Amino acid sequence: EKVMTQSPATLSVSPGERATLSCRASQSVNTNLAWYQQKPGQAPRLLIYGASTRATGIPARFSGSGSGTEFTLTISSLQSEDFAVYYCQQYNNWPLTFGGGTKVEIK
Amino acid sequence: EVQLLESGGGLVQPGGSLRLSCAASGFTFSSYAMSWVRQAPGRGLEWVSSITGSGGRTYYADSLKGRFTISRDSSKNTLYLQMNSLRAEDTAVYYCVKDPPGDSPYWYFDLWGRGTLVTVSS
Repeated sequence: EKVMTQSPATLSVSPGERATLSCRASQSVNTNLAWYQQKPGQAPRLLIYGASTRATGIPARFSGSGSGTEFTLTISSLQSEDFAVYYCQQYNNWPLTFGGGTKVEIK
Repeated sequence: EVQLLESGGGLVQPGGSLRLSCAASGFTFSSYAMSWVRQAPGRGLEWVSSITGSGGRTYYADSLKGRFTISRDSSKNTLYLQMNSLRAEDTAVYYCVKDPPGDSPYWYFDLWGRGTLVTVSS
């Protein structure tokens, strides 16, 4: 099983600042990596797939990068609606696995 | 409107069974792989099970150890999850999720339902 490790667990950022979230895979997942955003009381929403491709309707301030075992989600200038929990998910191999999440909170 | 609507959750005693349903609308259901993902209270996301568009292939998390069965009925545009021998650790919100468009199943999820809560407790 490919273990996905996200860091940090919590990220405190001021509105307008840049946020950088990390996701590390225990073995290579190539670029078969997706990012999701989840707000309290809501279902997750797809942000990024293929490690770097934004999903339909996702603002350009969200960007993904990486391949193999190291991945990054960057939010270039945090808006109020971006404070949420973010999860990575690998879909390179079975079982599909998610990271534990990074909570982005207001500083 | 493209939508997934789960139902069937509720309170069940340990050892009991429950069948979840997910009604799909707004897209050609039989063309897409589908999955279930769960989230225990205050915890992260956990993949549970997946099924191809045809229903010919199914996949399960090892932790389920044969207790859960995924299936689909394209005539009803509905995905199911039969859950048997339920345990307290199965308590979670269960989300029905859809694969994105394309030629092959990709196994990431571009559409999520609102979820249905399953509580296993005596």
